[in-house]
Formats: sequence, C-alpha cells, structure tokens
Amino acid sequence: GENVEQHPSTLSVQEGDSAVIKCTYSDSASNYFPWYKQELGKGPQLIIDIRSNVGEKKDQRIAVTLNKTAKHFSLHITETQPEDSAVYFCAASRDYGQNFVFGPGTRLSVLP
Amino acid sequence: DAGITQSPRHKVTETGTPVTLRCHQTENHRYMYWYRQDPGHGLRLIHYSYGVKDTDKGEVSDGYSVSRSKTEDFLLTLESATSSQTSVYFCAIRGQDYSPLHFGNGTRLTVT
Repeated sequence: GENVEQHPSTLSVQEGDSAVIKCTYSDSASNYFPWYKQELGKGPQLIIDIRSNVGEKKDQRIAVTLNKTAKHFSLHITETQPEDSAVYFCAASRDYGQNFVFGPGTRLSVLP
Repeated sequence: DAGITQSPRHKVTETGTPVTLRCHQTENHRYMYWYRQDPGHGLRLIHYSYGVKDTDKGEVSDGYSVSRSKTEDFLLTLESATSSQTSVYFCAIRGQDYSPLHFGNGTRLTVT
C-alpha cells in the first residue's frame, strides 16, 4: 500500500522567511495530493491541493510543487507570519480519492 | 468549517466499556471517514463509508465497528475499549471524486 514520508518533523523559521516541507510517496498510481494545516484543538484544514497533471500550483503565499518522476511534492510558504505556526500534513490519494494516506506531520514555528 | 459536528468532544471511559462516537454532517456528502490521530503517526484511517449502509475497513480497523443508517450520520463504536484506543478521533467528509477531505474538530477519547 501507499506510504507517505514527510520531512522535517519540526521546522523553525524567522518571521518573513520562507518555509519548505517535503513529502515523498511510494505508490506511483497516486494522483491527488492535498496539504492540511492543523491548529491546536482543531481538525486539519485544507490549504492547497494539486493533481498529478499539474507541476505547480500557487495561492498567494502558499505553493505546492509536484515531481512525479521522483515521487515527491513540497509545500512552500513565503513571507511567513506568526499565524502560520501550526502542524502541517501532506497526503496522497489514488484514483478517485477513496483513501488518503497522510504523512506524520511537520510542526512549523514562526518566530517573531 | 464544513457542516460537520462530532460528539462528544471529550470522553473518558474505562477499559472494557463500549463507546460510540457520532459524526453528523449537513452537507449531504456521499463519503464519510473516521481517522485516529496519534503522535508520530499522523492520521490513520479506521473505517469509511461510500453511502448509506456501505462501509469498508481502513488501515487500523481492528476493535472498531461503524454504521451509517442515514446520509448525515456516521457512528464509530468501540465494542470494548482498550487503553491503546486512547486517541483523538476525527470524522471527515468528501463530496465527490477528486475532492478533498473536510474534517470535524475531533473527539478526544481517554480509556483508563
């Protein structure tokens, strides 16, 4: 079955710097990759997603890149702000998205 | 938040007692999921439903059962709770193929 690895497990950056979180997946049939942000005491919230027919997608300060050949995808956050501090999860899904396999998460701390 | 309500939000129970967690959605979405979240493991799928009375097992289904008698409700039952089932449980819904999961705010279950 699918296995998703995520690195780093913790990341601290200065406010205004960029943050990059990388995930690798094992199932070459996976073709949909969402990213979630989870704040304390809440459920994960979708922040951006990408399909396998697209190499990059941007939404303001957030971008996701996908390398199908290497089977990895990355989340890029530019101009980080304290409110970006949270746990971020990547996920991979194949075909119709019946099942999503999640990475173990990255705790991002943005230091003022 | 998508219209997802999980109840209860917190529960403490003793080993060997039955426990039922409820997920209620107002979005009329077809797919509903139960995940558990544990440190270092991310989110792991317990069971999911693809329609009324249609359910299937996930990665960590042992010791859990589910039922879906109405589109809006998905119940997770621990027949005889064990300490290893202490976790945070998240319900998620999804409307159609290639759409992301939307999560509730979780139920923190402690089995003593």
